[in-house]
Amino acid sequence: GENVEQHPSTLSVQEGDSAVIKCTYSDSASNYFPWYKQELGKRPQLIIDIRSNVGEKKDQRIAVTLNKTAKHFSLHITETQPEDSAVYFCAASIPSGNTPLVFGKGTRLSVIA
Amino acid sequence: DSGVTQTPKHLITATGQRVTLRCSPRSGDLSVYWYQQSLDQGLQFLIQYYNGEERAKGNILERFSAQQFPDLHSELNLSSLELGDSALYFCASSVGWGALDEQFFGPGTRLTVL
Repeated sequence: GENVEQHPSTLSVQEGDSAVIKCTYSDSASNYFPWYKQELGKRPQLIIDIRSNVGEKKDQRIAVTLNKTAKHFSLHITETQPEDSAVYFCAASIPSGNTPLVFGKGTRLSVIA
Repeated sequence: DSGVTQTPKHLITATGQRVTLRCSPRSGDLSVYWYQQSLDQGLQFLIQYYNGEERAKGNILERFSAQQFPDLHSELNLSSLELGDSALYFCASSVGWGALDEQFFGPGTRLTVL
């Protein structure tokens, strides 16, 4: 079945630096890649997504890039702030599978002030 | 606030017991998804219902079952509980049934099995 690998599992950056989280997927038919942010004790919330007909998408300090050939996609956060500290999950859609979305295991991002 | 509600927020029970978790989707959403999140684990998909019918099934244990009612709320039933069932259980909803639909998560139910 589809597998989504996410790296790194933990990431610490200084406030103001950039953070990059990478995910790879196995099903070449996957065509939707959302990123969720989960603050401590809270629900996962969609922060950005990208579809397979687009290579890059940006929303203020957050951007996502997609390389369909290599089957990987990345989340980029620039000018990090303490409130960016959270667990980030990537996911990939499975158009023909039994599971609508497969999630990565998450990256715990700590932004140090 | 995503508009998805879940009750109860916390549940503490003993091994061997049975519990029911409840989820109400956002107004207008027809799909409901259930996920299990254990400590240091990602979101494990359990099951999806769309407009009352089972739509997709993940690695849901036979001891677990779910249903979606005519008013579109959903219940997840967990029986013969084991210590390893302790986890956060999230419900999510979306407008459609497809993999391209954005899922909105509820606040979760924290289940502790003692």
